[in-house]
Order: sequence, then structure tokens, then C-alpha cells
Amino acid sequence: EPEVTQTPSHQVTQMGQEVILRCVPISNHLYFYWYRQILGQKVEFLVSFYNNEISEKSEIFDDQFSVERPDGSNFTLKIRSTKLEDSAMYFCASSLSPRMNTEAFFGQGTRLTVV
Amino acid sequence: QQQVKQSPQSLIVQKGGISIINCAYENTAFDYFPWYQQFPGKGPALLIAIRPDVSEKKEGRFTISFNKSAKQFSLHIMDSQPGDSATYFCAASKSGNQGGKLIFGQGTELSVKP
Repeated sequence: EPEVTQTPSHQVTQMGQEVILRCVPISNHLYFYWYRQILGQKVEFLVSFYNNEISEKSEIFDDQFSVERPDGSNFTLKIRSTKLEDSAMYFCASSLSPRMNTEAFFGQGTRLTVV
Repeated sequence: QQQVKQSPQSLIVQKGGISIINCAYENTAFDYFPWYQQFPGKGPALLIAIRPDVSEKKEGRFTISFNKSAKQFSLHIMDSQPGDSATYFCAASKSGNQGGKLIFGQGTELSVKP
């Protein structure tokens, strides 16, 4: 069964450092997302990406965050200068259709710990 | 108006019992209501989803009941099993060219006792 893969599974970084979280979405999917989940809390939308540009972003997704699809397969989330409050589980997701809601498949997540 | 409210926060059910989790939304533009199941250390996985043109959808032991006028929907797990122990999230989204970002509820931690 096709799946969304994320690397690394766990990343520890010093406050102020830049981190890049990587995702390989399902190959024929067209929409890509990043969500985050602070420990014990709900899953929160960060950003959606379609046709090589951001289609929607939340208020969490400020200037410190950026996304990129550098090649035909990878989808990355960059945090330029990490803060302690960025510590969370980050999930990448992808879905097939840009217009009708279809199932969003989630990756296993990257646990980001900022120290 | 973008919120989805979920209850209860935690639920303990005996094996074989019925687990019921409830969600409510405010935005009438939402037209897709999935339920996700999440095991510790894993990503959310779609369990079952419904659109507002039907009032109920059943897949095996899992049923979504949908009340459009009340803007509420619920997940029923029949014959609950210890393997169902997980965190369940309801979510909502709306169709459109911007895509279907999911608005999640707060989650319900279900524990099924043998």
C-alpha cells in the first residue's frame, strides 16, 4: 500500500538553529500538507501546497516557516530559527484531488525537540 | 467558527461494549467529516468519513451518525475490542480549490478493557 514517508523520525536541535523536515508524499498525489501536534494536544493545520505554491496557511505558519518541493518527490518544511515552542510532532500528509475532499494520508511524523 | 469540538476527552469501555464519541461544528461550509485513529507514535489514519448528504455511514463495527441541522456527528464503535484502544480525532473540511485542510477536534483517548 502506498504511504507517506517522513525523515528523520526524531530530530533534536538547539534553539535558534534551522531544521528541515523531509517528506515523500504518495507519488500520484497533488496536494501536500504539513500539520503539527504538540504533545497531548490536537493536530493543527500548518500549510497546504498545490501546484508548487502555498494554497493556504494558518496563523502558526509565520515567516520562520517555509515549504518547498525541490524535486518531483520530496516536500520539505523548514523552520529557520527554532524556538522551544516549536517542539512538537510534525506530520506530512498528501491527498489526490485539489477540488473534492479525498482521503488525506499522513506520514508517521517527525518528533522535533528544541532544547 | 473554524472549530470542531469533541467529547469526551477520554473514554473507558469494557470489551464488547459500545464506544461513542461526539463532535460538533459551527461552519456550515464544511462538507466532509472524517474520523482518524491514532496509535502512540504513529500518524493519524483515516477510519471512516461521511459527507452531509447522508445521515449515517457504517463500515464494519464503525458507524458515523450525522445530524446536519444540529451540526453534530458522532462515531460509534460496536463490540469494542482492546485493539481499538487509541486516540480518535474527528475532523472537518470544505471542498474547494484551496484543498481540503482538516480542522481537527481535540481528540478522545479510548481505552477498551479486556
